[in-house]
Amino acid sequence: AQKVTQAQTEISVVEKEDVTLDCVYETRDTTYYLFWYKQPPSGELVFLIRRNSFDEQNEISGRYSWNFQKSTSSFNFTITASQVVDSAVYFCALSGSGSARQLTFGSGTQLTVLP
Amino acid sequence: KAGVTQTPRYLIKTRGQQVTLSCSPISGHRSVSWYQQTPGQGLQFLFEYFSETQRNKGNFPGRFSGRQFSNSRSEMNVSTLELGDSALYLCASSLTGQATRELFFGEGSRLTVL
Repeated sequence: AQKVTQAQTEISVVEKEDVTLDCVYETRDTTYYLFWYKQPPSGELVFLIRRNSFDEQNEISGRYSWNFQKSTSSFNFTITASQVVDSAVYFCALSGSGSARQLTFGSGTQLTVLP
Repeated sequence: KAGVTQTPRYLIKTRGQQVTLSCSPISGHRSVSWYQQTPGQGLQFLFEYFSETQRNKGNFPGRFSGRQFSNSRSEMNVSTLELGDSALYLCASSLTGQATRELFFGEGSRLTVL
C-alpha cells in the first residue's frame, strides 16, 4: 500500500518569507513517481513538478525548489520570497509502477501568505 | 488550448437520488480519471478510463460508476445518494494515463446531498 504524509496542515507566513512544505511517502515499488500540485480557491489542481524515483537531482524553477531524498523518503517543496498569490492548498502525490494511472495524495498543506 | 471542463459546477441533490457528472478532457487526451475530495477523506481515486475502457478502479461501492465515450468525454454516475457523497468531484485528463504523466484537472463539480 502507498501512503503520503503531509504533517503540516496549515502554514502562515508573511510575504517575502521562504517557506518549506514537507512530504513523506511510503511505497514498496522500486520505481515510482512523485508530484506536487497546487489547489487555489477555484478548485482545480495545478501540476507543479514530477520526480522519478531514480532521479534524485534536486531542482529549482524560479521561486520554487524541490528536495528529493530517497534515504528519508521525503520530497519537500520550498517557495522562496513567498507572495500573496502563492496562497493555496499544496498536495504531494505518489504514483507507483504497480498502481499506474492512480495518484495517492497527501492530506494537503494550506499555505497562507499574508501581505 | 481549452482545459478540462466539468459540468455542472454545483448541484444539490437529496438522499436516494442519482446524479451524473460530465467531464470533457483536453483535446487529444485519451485518459480520464475521477477523484473525490472531501474534508474528512481528502483526495481519493475513483476510476480511470482510457479509450472507453475502465483500466483502474478505486475502493468505492458499486453505486459509483462511470464511462467514457469515443470522443474521450467521460461521465460518472452516483446512484442512491447518501449524505457522505457530498464532495468535490474532480476530473483529470492526461495524454496516455501512464504513471509518469502529470494530470490536468478541471475545477470540479461540487455535489451537496441533503
